[in-house]
Amino acid sequence: DTGVSQNPRHKITKRGQNVTFRCDPISEHNRLYWYRQTLGQGPEFLTYFQNEAQLEKSRLLSDRFSAERPKGSFSTLEIQRTEQGDSAMYLCASSARRISYGYTFGSGTRLTVV
Amino acid sequence: GIQVEQSPPDLILQEGANSTLRCNFSDSVNNLQWFHQNPWGQLINLFYIPSGTKQNGRLSATTVATERYSLLYISSSQTTDSGVYFCAVSPGGYQKVTFGIGTKLQVIP
Repeated sequence: DTGVSQNPRHKITKRGQNVTFRCDPISEHNRLYWYRQTLGQGPEFLTYFQNEAQLEKSRLLSDRFSAERPKGSFSTLEIQRTEQGDSAMYLCASSARRISYGYTFGSGTRLTVV
Repeated sequence: GIQVEQSPPDLILQEGANSTLRCNFSDSVNNLQWFHQNPWGQLINLFYIPSGTKQNGRLSATTVATERYSLLYISSSQTTDSGVYFCAVSPGGYQKVTFGIGTKLQVIP
């Protein structure tokens, strides 16, 4: 068990470009969550998967954002036509079927849109 | 949606001191977690504690679900305890959790 892995760790992109982030959860975890965190704030929920099904999506997730979790394993978060306001830390977490162990977070992907 | 308030917002402690962090929430919850975000940004799960009391070394937590609050106790603080402590709650056992704004702790030698 190597924990939750996120790639890349840092991403700098020009406004208007598309970016994609990857999250590899703990292998036996069937639930996966994406959060976004800006400076001085707590993480904000973006979306949630149970196995391959996307069960909830925040209103924060505009049409430019899309997330997938094919085959219930790794997940990707894509942002199209990035804007400066998208600059943030994007965090992925996973949890087991037995929730009493709580969420395990990855180290995050820091996105800077210039 | 559910509201989460954490206090105090900032806390400076001398190494070796004890502290209590508080989390108030606006609705009944089935999922409450405490996290520590270290200065490098990594979020570490400290406790899953929707009710009752748990202890892990120098840390302990108590949630009084009927009164809608949770407390995190840090004893004999160390410089490595510095960072931001978040409370996160959910009214459902498996749904998203909503985070508070955190308590920023600085432990000085």
